[in-house]
Amino acid sequence: AQKITQTQPGMFVQEKEAVTLDCTYDTSDPSYGLFWYKQPSSGEMIFLIYQGSYDQQNATEGRYSLNFQKARKSANLVISASQLGDSAMYFCAMRVEPHGQNFVFGPGTRLSVLP
Amino acid sequence: EAGVTQFPSHSVIEKGQTVTLRCDPISGHDNLYWYRRVMGKEIKFLLHFVKESKQDESGMPNNRFLAERTGGTYSTLKVQPAELEDSGVYFCASSQSHGGKLFFGSGTQLSVL
Repeated sequence: AQKITQTQPGMFVQEKEAVTLDCTYDTSDPSYGLFWYKQPSSGEMIFLIYQGSYDQQNATEGRYSLNFQKARKSANLVISASQLGDSAMYFCAMRVEPHGQNFVFGPGTRLSVLP
Repeated sequence: EAGVTQFPSHSVIEKGQTVTLRCDPISGHDNLYWYRRVMGKEIKFLLHFVKESKQDESGMPNNRFLAERTGGTYSTLKVQPAELEDSGVYFCASSQSHGGKLFFGSGTQLSVL
């Protein structure tokens, strides 16, 4: 069975500093996709970044980058130059292909950016 | 372009009552999903529609939950009768047929008293 683990229930970071949110996953399927979503206090889930299991390079999207270490089954999210608006819940998720399109989510990490 | 919309944003009902949640996916997205997060636990998959067909409903907790997507457009999720443990946030998401990205709605906060 697929599983996502996020060991940090809460994280604090100073504004303008970088922060790494941990995510490890477990699957026996060779083909999968890893996602990070942000959920601000308003409730919506916002897509941040995607990494495919066969992608050779780590994904980057603006201030977000994904530190993909396949052998360790980790997909940590790195946010550079944190902003106050980055305070939110962050969910790591995995989609296993080709068996379906249902996602498995981690428990989330609450990030608080301090001024 | 409009995103995924959900209605209502909040619902407070008494145990035993019926509640119907609605989700309007992004236009053109054949894939529609329902998820829920109860009491700070992980977000759990409920079911997946491809157009009007239920592709996977393995996550539906019991027969008190009924999801429909008539016509392959919007979807409803009915809980009848609601129980206390049904309280949580119900998310809807949609994606294009072969896309890897899920677009989520803002969720419906359901409180069963």
